[in-house]
Amino acid sequence: AQSVTQLDSQVPVFEEAPVELRCNYSSSVSVYLFWYVQYPNQGLQLLLKYLSGSTLVESINGFEAEFNKSQTSFHLRKPSVHISDTAEYFCAVIRLGYSGGGADGLTFGKGTHLIIQP
Amino acid sequence: EAGVAQSPRYKIIEKRQSVAFWCNPISGHATLYWYQQILGQGPKLLIQFQNNGVVDDSQLPKDRFSAERLKGVDSTLKIQPAKLEDSAVYLCASSPRDNSYEQYFGPGTRLTVT
Repeated sequence: AQSVTQLDSQVPVFEEAPVELRCNYSSSVSVYLFWYVQYPNQGLQLLLKYLSGSTLVESINGFEAEFNKSQTSFHLRKPSVHISDTAEYFCAVIRLGYSGGGADGLTFGKGTHLIIQP
Repeated sequence: EAGVAQSPRYKIIEKRQSVAFWCNPISGHATLYWYQQILGQGPKLLIQFQNNGVVDDSQLPKDRFSAERLKGVDSTLKIQPAKLEDSAVYLCASSPRDNSYEQYFGPGTRLTVT
């Protein structure tokens, strides 16, 4: 079984400041890693993912995350946040090797509420 | 491309009543998921379908929850009878049969049990 821990339930940060949202996972098998974002009154959207290759992955809106296998972490970072980044951020994993076609069910963390202060 | 559709968006019922949620996935997506998101928590997988067959329902409370995906397209999730602890947002998601491992989520149905 897999589990995901997001240590911070809420992170307040000033606009244009850097931010890091922490994510650690536990699994007996290898996993793929994801960050999903939920803006106010909207559905969950994929922000970025790590499947293989470079351990540093980026999103189109300036977020990046680095897969660290030894630390079993996938922290999300942004060098300068904007008020529009206010949202709930969820880290999630899928186990590798699912053979049923499509994708396995996601295991989510509890989420981190990013609050941008002007 | 139309997204995942869900209805109703909101539902309020009394405990011991029954309720049903409907989901229409993105056209061509073979895999469909139902998640339960309780306030303050991340979504939890309830059931996963591959076409019209169940792949994983290990976390579905089968004494009160049921789900079906007839003809491998849209799906219905039912709760009967509802309990107070079933108050949550019920999310439907779908994914294509490729190597992207991406899931596309609908807007959810917010259920309040009183």
